[in-house]
Amino acid sequence: AQSVTQLDSQVPVFEEAPVELRCNYSSSVSVYLFWYVQYPNQGLQLLLKYLSGSTLVKGINGFEAEFNKSQTSFHLRKPSVHISDTAEYFCAVSDPKTSYDKVIFGPGTSLSVIP
Amino acid sequence: DAGVIQSPRHEVTEMGQEVTLRCKPISGHDYLFWYRQTMMRGLELLIYFNNNVPIDDSGMPEDRFSAKMPNASFSTLKIQPSEPRDSAVYFCASSFRTGGAVYEAFFGQGTRLTVV
Repeated sequence: AQSVTQLDSQVPVFEEAPVELRCNYSSSVSVYLFWYVQYPNQGLQLLLKYLSGSTLVKGINGFEAEFNKSQTSFHLRKPSVHISDTAEYFCAVSDPKTSYDKVIFGPGTSLSVIP
Repeated sequence: DAGVIQSPRHEVTEMGQEVTLRCKPISGHDYLFWYRQTMMRGLELLIYFNNNVPIDDSGMPEDRFSAKMPNASFSTLKIQPSEPRDSAVYFCASSFRTGGAVYEAFFGQGTRLTVV
């Protein structure tokens, strides 16, 4: 079955520093990939998605992610973080072995921005 | 649109009691998902519906869990009887299909369930 790995459970970073949150998925076939953000006591909100085309995807709040098929990775980056970026970040993949309707989430990475 | 609406936001119940969680999806969305979030297991897909029909319930942990979607604007997730290990945040999400796939899920704010 499809799975998603987020290598870092917690990432502390100073304000205005760059950050990269790592994500790897298990399938080598075509997939749809997503990054969601969850602020405290909130539901998840879509940051960006990769469906096809350009491997560099830009999302909201200055985030971007790069799809790398050979490495089955979809890492999330931001060049300069703000305090307000402190949240839980989830990488997700649609499962082509069942259907594209079923989205599998990774365990999440907690980003803490230090003033 | 007000987004996906879940109720209640918080629920505390005693072990053995029946618990019903409610969800109103975004109007016009034809997919509805129920997720459970815990520290130990992360975000798990329990069941999802398409056009009010359950498509995949393989994530439902036990027969104590059941979900219904009687119409396009309402869904319930019921736990009977509830157990302390059911304590979690339960999210409902809705989506729609354009072209070939479901592209984005819109999440509600969740129901925090505590079973004592």
